[in-house]
Amino acid sequence: AQSVAQPEDQVNVAEGNPLTVKCTYSVSGNPYLFWYVQYPNRGLQFLLKYITGDNLVKGSYGFEAEFNKSQTSFHLKKPSALVSDSALYFCAVRDTGENDMRFGAGTRLTVKP
Amino acid sequence: AAGVIQSPRHLIKEKRETATLKCYPIPRHDTVYWYQQGPGQDPQFLISFYEKMQSDKGSIPDRFSAQQFSDYHSELNMSSLELGDSALYFCASSSSRESSYNEQFFGPGTRLTVL
Repeated sequence: AQSVAQPEDQVNVAEGNPLTVKCTYSVSGNPYLFWYVQYPNRGLQFLLKYITGDNLVKGSYGFEAEFNKSQTSFHLKKPSALVSDSALYFCAVRDTGENDMRFGAGTRLTVKP
Repeated sequence: AAGVIQSPRHLIKEKRETATLKCYPIPRHDTVYWYQQGPGQDPQFLISFYEKMQSDKGSIPDRFSAQQFSDYHSELNMSSLELGDSALYFCASSSSRESSYNEQFFGPGTRLTVL
């Protein structure tokens, strides 16, 4: 069975600074990893995914994530944060052979001007 | 590009009533997933269907049932509603033909409020 953990409930950064939102996972097979963003009263928007290949994945809105198999991590990063990046971010994992995704608890990112 | 459509977008019901949520997947997608997101919670997987057959079951209460129809749309039926059922219900769809990893595309969600 797959599981995912987001150790930080809240991340605060200043606009223009780099941001990192952490995610670790546990699967029995090979992981398919995803990041979603949720703005207030909105649905889940896909940011990026790791399936196979290059460990550094680039996604929407300047976000990227690095797959680290030895540390079972898939942290979300952005070199320069924007106030408009403030939202709730969910990491999700799907194990090979499984149909459903497991979501982390979510991390609320606040970017201050 | 067409996205996943969910209806209604908002629904208000009384306790013990029934509710039906509908999901229209992206055209040519054959798999539908339902998730429940309580206030301040992460989405929890409820149930999924592939080619009109139930493919996986998560934390779906016995009071809920779902099905996928011949046109691949899906309905989530909820009976004897409880206050705790108030949540955002997401539908997602994927295509088994387009990829092996079944990337899921999410709809905007239906916000159910039980009074």
